[in-house]
Order: sequence, then C-alpha cells, then structure tokens
Amino acid sequence: GNSVTQMEGPVTLSEEAFLTINCTYTATGYPSLFWYVQYPGEGLQLLLKATKADDKGSNKGFEATYRKETTSFHLEKGSVQVSDSAVYFCALSEMRGSTLGRLYFGRGTQLTVWP
Amino acid sequence: ETGVTQTPRHLVMGMTNKKSLKCEQHLGHNAMYWYKQSAKKPLELMFVYNFKEQTENNSVPSRFSPECPNSSHLFLHLHTLQPEDSALYLCASSQEGTSSSYNEQFFGPGTRLTVL
Repeated sequence: GNSVTQMEGPVTLSEEAFLTINCTYTATGYPSLFWYVQYPGEGLQLLLKATKADDKGSNKGFEATYRKETTSFHLEKGSVQVSDSAVYFCALSEMRGSTLGRLYFGRGTQLTVWP
Repeated sequence: ETGVTQTPRHLVMGMTNKKSLKCEQHLGHNAMYWYKQSAKKPLELMFVYNFKEQTENNSVPSRFSPECPNSSHLFLHLHTLQPEDSALYLCASSQEGTSSSYNEQFFGPGTRLTVL
C-alpha cells in the first residue's frame, strides 16, 4: 500500500540555521511527492512538489529531491527564518488509470524558529 | 473570493445540536474533499466527491453527512456529535481527469470545531 513516514517533531532551530525534515515513502507504483505547509490558524498550502525520480522541487528557499533509490523526499532549507515556523507535511499521490488520485499524508512535523 | 473558502471559521456546538460546515471553491475544479485534522493524529480523509458524485467514504460515522450540490460547493452536516469529534475540518479541491500524473489539492483555511 501507500504510506508516508516523516520525522517526528517538534524541531526547534535558531534563525539562519540549516533545516532538514526527513520523509520516506512506500508506494506500489510511481507516485508524485509533495511538501505542504500549515501556518498557525490556517489550512495547508502546497510548498513544493516533484513528479518523477530525480526531480527537485523548490520554493521560498526550500528544496526536496525525489530519490527513488532511497524512497525519500527530504525537505531542506539552508537558512530558516522565524516566519518559517509552521507544521510541514510530506505527502504522496498515485494515479492508477481512471481512479481518482488521493493524497497520503505523513503525520506532520512542527518547526519552531527562534530569533 | 479566490481559492477555497470555508465558513464558519470557528464553531462551538453542543452534542444535541445540528450544524453545517460550508466549503466553496473558486478554482473551477471538479473534485472536492473533507479532511479531519485532530491534535497529534495524521490528517484523515473523510469524503471525496468527483463530479458531484461521492467516490470515497472512509468509514466515517453517520453523524457526519456530506452534501455536494454542485462542483463548487461542499457541505458537511453535523448532528449528535461527540466531544472527540472536536477538530479542524479542512476542505480541499482538485482538478481530476487530466493527463497530469499528480493530484494537487488546494486547501481551505478550515473550520475549528469544538463539541461540548
């Protein structure tokens, strides 16, 4: 079946520190991979995505590379800011023929950045 | 309005009340979703509607009743809820049936529900 496992938080960093949030997945086919972010009091927003192996998704200084050999999609940012404090969700989607694709989410990782 | 909107943003109700959550998407999508987000639990998919037809019901109790009158609107009718139903209820939409291989969903801000 399909599932996503991401590192448990919370993650607490100082401003300008390097961030890594690990994500690994299990899928029966060829999934697309996503990182969503949820800021306090808001819904989920798509942060970045990758649709095939070796693709790198990037947005707002965040990056993640689709690694098929290690079934991973780790989120990284070189220098975090206080405004990056949020919950980050790794997710995968797998389409099968005419079946409606659905998203499988990890449990989310709370990131807190201190000034 | 743009994107996906949800009303109300906050709702407090007693266990005997009947209330409804509303979701509207302004993106021209044809699929809509209800998710439940509880503290310290994974995001749970509740219902999926594709072209107004319910295609998925993930063993959700009957005290939650979805309604999708058209592809832009989605409701979640609530009755005789339990305190453990307190959660953030998120609505999302996507465009299905294209040649795209992925399913990008756009989320609303959610309704924070408290059941007393």
